[in-house]
Amino acid sequence: AQKVTQAQTEISVVEKEDVTLDCVYETRDTTYYLFWYKQPPSGELVFLIRRNSFDEQNEISGRYSWNFQKSTSSFNFTITASQVVDSAVYFCALSEAVGSGGSNYKLTFGKGTLLTVNP
Amino acid sequence: DGGITQSPKYLFRKEGQNVTLSCEQNLNHDAMYWYRQDPGQGLRLIYYSQIVNDFQKGDIAEGYSVSREKKESFPLTVTSAQKNPTAFYLCASRGGAMTEAFFGQGTRLTVV
Repeated sequence: AQKVTQAQTEISVVEKEDVTLDCVYETRDTTYYLFWYKQPPSGELVFLIRRNSFDEQNEISGRYSWNFQKSTSSFNFTITASQVVDSAVYFCALSEAVGSGGSNYKLTFGKGTLLTVNP
Repeated sequence: DGGITQSPKYLFRKEGQNVTLSCEQNLNHDAMYWYRQDPGQGLRLIYYSQIVNDFQKGDIAEGYSVSREKKESFPLTVTSAQKNPTAFYLCASRGGAMTEAFFGQGTRLTVV
């Protein structure tokens, strides 16, 4: 079963539109961590945000905002007034303990959403 | 500067040859990870290591091997058993379960 699902493979918008990237995760742990990363065309991964399972407070950072809902196992990412520089692949990731004793932490990524912002 | 270094950036190998990708970090992180990225497949976990001399298989470990003899280093060997080795390989490290992972710039491996 896929642990992190990003159902939107590609999204194309026109500059200044708002866009929401969906992320649904699956875990049996009560303690886990969620992340969003951006991968621009250059290839390096840029960390955007971290959220732990006990903190459902939504967060806003400039044009970026995140909506974490444990009830639906979702951690969605919204870009307000998109810009051409936002064009990238965006990944959602889940960190959870695995194995006996829970001493190993697996970091699982979704397949990513390619966002294209057109001028 | 602290960070993760992957080398080389581009690597070409003939089919049937083993090849080792280097990953070094000077962030004093305990955990290190190897991912493979193919178009449309996202980042798929190959191996990960929480401490020195210990590592776990990820979701696509077949045809790969790793070692973790030093905290700073986590080399990945792509063996001849890996059926489709051509891909972009990313190494990452992080200090703990709750912290973000830092990534290297990746190695693009092409097997001809």
